[in-house]
Amino acid sequence: DAGVIQSPRHEVTEMGQEVTLRCKPISGHNSLFWYRQTMMRGLELLIYFNNNVPIDDSGMPEDRFSAKMPNASFSTLKIQPSEPRDSAVYFCASSLWRSQATDTQYFGPGTRLTVL
Amino acid sequence: QQQVKQSPQSLIVQKGGISIINCAYENTAFDYFPWYQQFPGKGPALLIAIRPDVSEKKEGRFTISFNKSAKQFSLHIMDSQPGDSATYFCAASRGSSYKLIFGSGTRLLVRP
Repeated sequence: DAGVIQSPRHEVTEMGQEVTLRCKPISGHNSLFWYRQTMMRGLELLIYFNNNVPIDDSGMPEDRFSAKMPNASFSTLKIQPSEPRDSAVYFCASSLWRSQATDTQYFGPGTRLTVL
Repeated sequence: QQQVKQSPQSLIVQKGGISIINCAYENTAFDYFPWYQQFPGKGPALLIAIRPDVSEKKEGRFTISFNKSAKQFSLHIMDSQPGDSATYFCAASRGSSYKLIFGSGTRLLVRP
């Protein structure tokens, strides 16, 4: 079974450049999450999609960040323009959300972003 | 009220010992408490989870103890092994909410 797939695994870019991170959720899952992990702030939820619709983007740090989910099998997180403080590991996670209970979130391997 | 406080920040245990990680929460509406395990270079993975209708859940060497009145829960790793060396995150969620509130993580090192 393929888990959550993220690409690229590593990204090094210069300040001011556009960065696009990609995620393929587990087939059949209807919820997708983007997280950011840093030593200082731990795991932060950036945005949550349910059935391809953004439900909660309150964690998106600022307008430089945007996320899309054009279909059930693909999502992107874009940073434009990137800044050194965006350096972090970005995780995508997916789950099968049901109205009755919180379900397990399955995390991808992450994208380590370094902005110089 | 949305925070989950986790301690200790780091933990060193000898092989065969018991590792104990603690978490505390404020929001009494939380009713799902998972623990995630993360190895270096990997994403977090669900280890074990509990709901407040039970006070303890055991899966192999891993046990969650839950104290509803104290609003605390803990992870116990019995017979700790070097392969258990990882970062452990507690989390909490409310009802059918999608949103997991994560603790700050505990870096566990099990010495051979």
